[in-house]
Amino acid sequence: NAGVTQTPKFQVLKTGQSMTLQCAQDMNHNSMYWYRQDPGMGLRLIYYSASEGTTDKGEVPNGYNVSRLNKREFSLRLESAAPSQTSVYFCASSGAGNHEQYFGPGTRLTVT
Amino acid sequence: GENVEQHPSTLSVQEGDSAVIKCTYSDSASNYFPWYKQELGKRPQLIIDIRSNVGEKKDQRIAVTLNKTAKHFSLHITETQPEDSAVYFCAASTSGTYKYIFGTGTRLKVLA
Repeated sequence: NAGVTQTPKFQVLKTGQSMTLQCAQDMNHNSMYWYRQDPGMGLRLIYYSASEGTTDKGEVPNGYNVSRLNKREFSLRLESAAPSQTSVYFCASSGAGNHEQYFGPGTRLTVT
Repeated sequence: GENVEQHPSTLSVQEGDSAVIKCTYSDSASNYFPWYKQELGKRPQLIIDIRSNVGEKKDQRIAVTLNKTAKHFSLHITETQPEDSAVYFCAASTSGTYKYIFGTGTRLKVLA
């Protein structure tokens, strides 16, 4: 039981490049989330998916898109990366009827 | 929307002393309040949570209190140990949304 996994662990992009961050969970959870973590700003919700087939914007969705590929997988895409998107990105999941969110190990992204 | 404020941003205590971290929230509909611990370079992990129908919850050296009227909740760590050194985040959530709004974090240092 791996829990929540994320790839890649580290990534460096140039301004304007695109990339997709991958997230998968093996806990049969309905809900999945993408956060970004910046120093002094805590964890901010980018997008979430309450259940397979649905996605919704969080606090800071601009510049990102998501895809809930199936129940297990939830990806985050940066179409045209900007230096302001330099951050640590965490994926999380939670099961029905239980608010606890389980986090992945994070992806450290640097945009130059 | 919901807003969560967390204080202090940094806290240093001597080993064996107690530590208290406080959070306030704005949305009276919030009814679930988790606390996460994040060690350096690691993922956030749930350490304790409280629901709005409960005023206090304890788990060994950790306790959380909730004052719904004042819209604030606190984390109490007694007999602190060096391994308690980490960043602690509070969050607030509302049933049916499963979205968290996080505080900005408290860096706790336990001095040996």
